[in-house]
Amino acid sequence: AQTVTQSQPEMSVQEAETVTLSCTYDTSESDYYLFWYKQPPSRQMILVIRQEAYKQQNATENRFSVNFQKAAKSFSLKISDSQLGDAAMYFCAYRSAQGGSEKLVFGKGMKLTVNP
Amino acid sequence: DTGVSQDPRHKITKRGQNVTFRCDPISEHNRLYWYRQTLGQGPEFLTYFQNEAQLEKSRLLSDRFSAERPKGSFSTLEIQRTEQGDSAMYLCASSDEGVGQFFGPGTRLTVL
Repeated sequence: AQTVTQSQPEMSVQEAETVTLSCTYDTSESDYYLFWYKQPPSRQMILVIRQEAYKQQNATENRFSVNFQKAAKSFSLKISDSQLGDAAMYFCAYRSAQGGSEKLVFGKGMKLTVNP
Repeated sequence: DTGVSQDPRHKITKRGQNVTFRCDPISEHNRLYWYRQTLGQGPEFLTYFQNEAQLEKSRLLSDRFSAERPKGSFSTLEIQRTEQGDSAMYLCASSDEGVGQFFGPGTRLTVL
């Protein structure tokens, strides 16, 4: 079974600074997808960014970018120019691209605080 | 608003009662997923539908839980004989191509 680990339960960053959230995963599959989701307090889960494992190029979405290291099974999220609205729980998630399962497997999440 | 909607947003019930939640996916999405999230944890997969067919069920989905999507549009999740351990946020998500899943606001269940 696949597992996702987010080892840092909490982090903080100063507004306008850069922060990197770490995530590792375990799988025996070669084809899969990885995601970062954001869950603001009392609000719904929002898809931040996704990465297909077959792509060597790291995904970017505006201020959000990932560092995908397939051999190391590492998938970190970098947030540049942090804003107060980035404060949220961040979840790393895995989805198989093989065998028909479409379930997302989530890590435990990490709480990001943005200080003004 | 054309996002995923869930009803009710909050439900308080007594142990042993039955509860039913509804999820309306984004209109053109043929895939619908249910997850459960407890405090301090990431969401855990329960089940998913492609159109009206239930294609995958987690072992978390005990025989007290049943989900339906009769016409391939909205879905319901019923919990029979609720237990205190069922207290959680129940999340629904939908997708049109099975990769990016878009979540609703959730239904928070409290079992007293």
